[in-house]
Amino acid sequence: GDSVTQMEGPVTLSEEAFLTINCTYTATGYPSLFWYVQYPGEGLQLLLKATKADDKGSNKGFEATYRKETTSFHLEKGSVQVSDSAVYFCALSDRDTGGFKTIFGAGTRLFVKA
Amino acid sequence: EAQVTQNPRYLITVTGKKLTVTCSQNMNHEYMSWYRQDPGLGLRQIYYSMNVEVTDKGDVPEGYKVSRKEKRNFPLILESPSPNQTSLYFCASSPPPGQGTDTQYFGPGTRLTVL
Repeated sequence: GDSVTQMEGPVTLSEEAFLTINCTYTATGYPSLFWYVQYPGEGLQLLLKATKADDKGSNKGFEATYRKETTSFHLEKGSVQVSDSAVYFCALSDRDTGGFKTIFGAGTRLFVKA
Repeated sequence: EAQVTQNPRYLITVTGKKLTVTCSQNMNHEYMSWYRQDPGLGLRQIYYSMNVEVTDKGDVPEGYKVSRKEKRNFPLILESPSPNQTSLYFCASSPPPGQGTDTQYFGPGTRLTVL
């Protein structure tokens, strides 16, 4: 079945450092790919998404590119801030089910130090 | 304000005592879903509903029930809770097909402890 694997955390960075969180997936169809973010004590929020190969999703300085050849969707940000401290989830949505089936990775916790 | 609400936010109960966690959305979304979040496992889907009176099992449905009598509400029922159902639960909803069905909007979560 479909699956998502993301790098284990926690990831600890200093403010203004470069961030990469790796995500790879396996899917039989042509999924949409997502990054969701969960701030402390809150539910998940969509950070960005990409619906087809070579698409780049971007939001709030974060970017991720849908790489079909490497089945990856790595999250990057050039300069992190303390306010980016959160848990980040990579996910895929199976279009064959009309987008109703979403598979999440285990999550990566990011700590950013001032 | 467009939102998904869940109640209660925190609940401590004992084994075998039936409980219901409510979920409501005000965005007229057709699709709703319940997840549980456990350390190291991410979010796992319990049940989902594609519309009123249409529900289906997710990956971990054992020990849970749901109903969808109205479009806005999707309660999660634990008929006889057990300690292995101690978890953080999230409800989510999505717009109809053609309007970004694959993007989900999450509630704030319900932290359940079963003693």
